[in-house]
Amino acid sequence: AAGVIQSPRHLIKEKRETATLKCYPIPRHDTVYWYQQGPGQDPQFLISFYEKMQSDKGSIPDRFSAQQFSDYHSELNMSSLELGDSALYFCASSLQLYTQGSGANVLTFGAGSRLTVL
Amino acid sequence: LAKTTQPISMDSYEGQEVNITCSHNNIATNDYITWYQQFPSQGPRFIIQGYKTKVTNEVASLFIPADRKSSTLSLPRVSLSDTAVYYCLVVKDYGGATNKLIFGTGTLLAVQP
Repeated sequence: AAGVIQSPRHLIKEKRETATLKCYPIPRHDTVYWYQQGPGQDPQFLISFYEKMQSDKGSIPDRFSAQQFSDYHSELNMSSLELGDSALYFCASSLQLYTQGSGANVLTFGAGSRLTVL
Repeated sequence: LAKTTQPISMDSYEGQEVNITCSHNNIATNDYITWYQQFPSQGPRFIIQGYKTKVTNEVASLFIPADRKSSTLSLPRVSLSDTAVYYCLVVKDYGGATNKLIFGTGTLLAVQP
């Protein structure tokens, strides 16, 4: 079955540079989520999109922005990179459930993009 | 979102059954209990979800008492490949577009030969 595809898998940047991460959700999934996971830390929610509109925002720095395109793929743009931005960035997708008692949404995560800022 | 508490780490040996307990005292009526597994440098992976009593799938079982203030993830006959971090999360039923997952501190399960 198709999974969540992230690219690039590895990225090395210098401080103050810009980086763009891409995410291709599972076909027919309508929601995309971005998470950041620093070394030895738990995943932190950054931002999510539902049907191409921003649906929720977490601890995303102002230097970061994201969007979801008409084909449902999403991009996370990071500018003025800092050393502390070095982390694994995960994208996840889900299909929203709208029937009471149907359970909570299950997120499928991609393999992640490892960003190293030097 | 209800806060969850689970042990930081657990040790086990191959072939043993492992039970990881999670407490969620403030769980709401329309919350589900969901467990994810994460291997190093990989994205979290859904394991199991339940509302009450017992749920079983090919990977694990989830036991939820009547008051739903805690839950236990049971992994039968673990192997070395089950070494991972296990996250317990409380997530709203059909939460809609804002139903993000908030990860707390998971349980690092170390399985030894």
